[in-house]
Amino acid sequence: EAQVTQNPRYLITVTGKKLTVTCSQNMNHEYMSWYRQDPGLGLRQIYYSMNVEVTDKGDVPEGYKVSRKEKRNFPLILESPSPNQTSLYFCASRRGGANVLTFGAGSRLTVL
Amino acid sequence: GQQVMQIPQYQHVQEGEDFTTYCNSSTTLSNIQWYKQRPGGHPVFLIQLVKSGEVKKQKRLTFQFGEAKKNSSLHITATQTTDVGTYFCAEGSNYQLIWGAGTKLIIKP
Repeated sequence: EAQVTQNPRYLITVTGKKLTVTCSQNMNHEYMSWYRQDPGLGLRQIYYSMNVEVTDKGDVPEGYKVSRKEKRNFPLILESPSPNQTSLYFCASRRGGANVLTFGAGSRLTVL
Repeated sequence: GQQVMQIPQYQHVQEGEDFTTYCNSSTTLSNIQWYKQRPGGHPVFLIQLVKSGEVKKQKRLTFQFGEAKKNSSLHITATQTTDVGTYFCAEGSNYQLIWGAGTKLIIKP
C-alpha cells in the first residue's frame, strides 16, 4: 500500500532532550516536507526537500533540523526541544512536478 | 508573502443543511487545492482546480475557482455526519503549498 509512515505517533518528552521523528514513504516520491499544525494556525511548513541531499527552510524552521540521505526517508530532528514545539507534526510527500501531497498519519509531540 | 485567507474558521450546521467555505487571495492563484482532515486524522487531498472559472463536483461537494483566479469555494449540499472535519484550501507551487487556516465543519446535535 502506498503510504507515508511516521514514528512515533505520540511522544511526551522533556525540555532539552533530543528527539527524532522519522518519516518514510514507499512511493519513490522526490519531494518531502514537514508541517506542524497548531489550533487556529492551520498547517505551517517547517522544512522541505526537493530530492536527496536537497533541503530548504519552510516558514517555521527555527529549532528543527532535517536530513535527506535517502529518497524514502526524511527525519525531523529536534536537538533541544522546548515547550513551544508541542504540536501535531505531519510529514508529506509528492512526485516531482506534481502538487498533490500525501500525508502521514501525524505525530503528536508534547514537550514538558 | 503570498497569503490565502480562508473563512469562516468554524461553521455549525444542522445535519441536512448546506455548508460553504471560502478562500481568497490578493494575488492571482496558479491553482487551488482542497483537502479534508477528519477529527484525529490527517489531511487528505480532495481536488485541484487550475482554470479560471472552473467548477468541479464530487457527489454533494461543489468546488469553484473564481474567474480572476483570486478566490475559490467549496460547497457541500445537505451535510451528513461523515462530512465532519476541517477543510483546507492551498495554493501549490514547485516548492511549497500556501495553506488557508481551514474551516471546521461541526454538525449540531
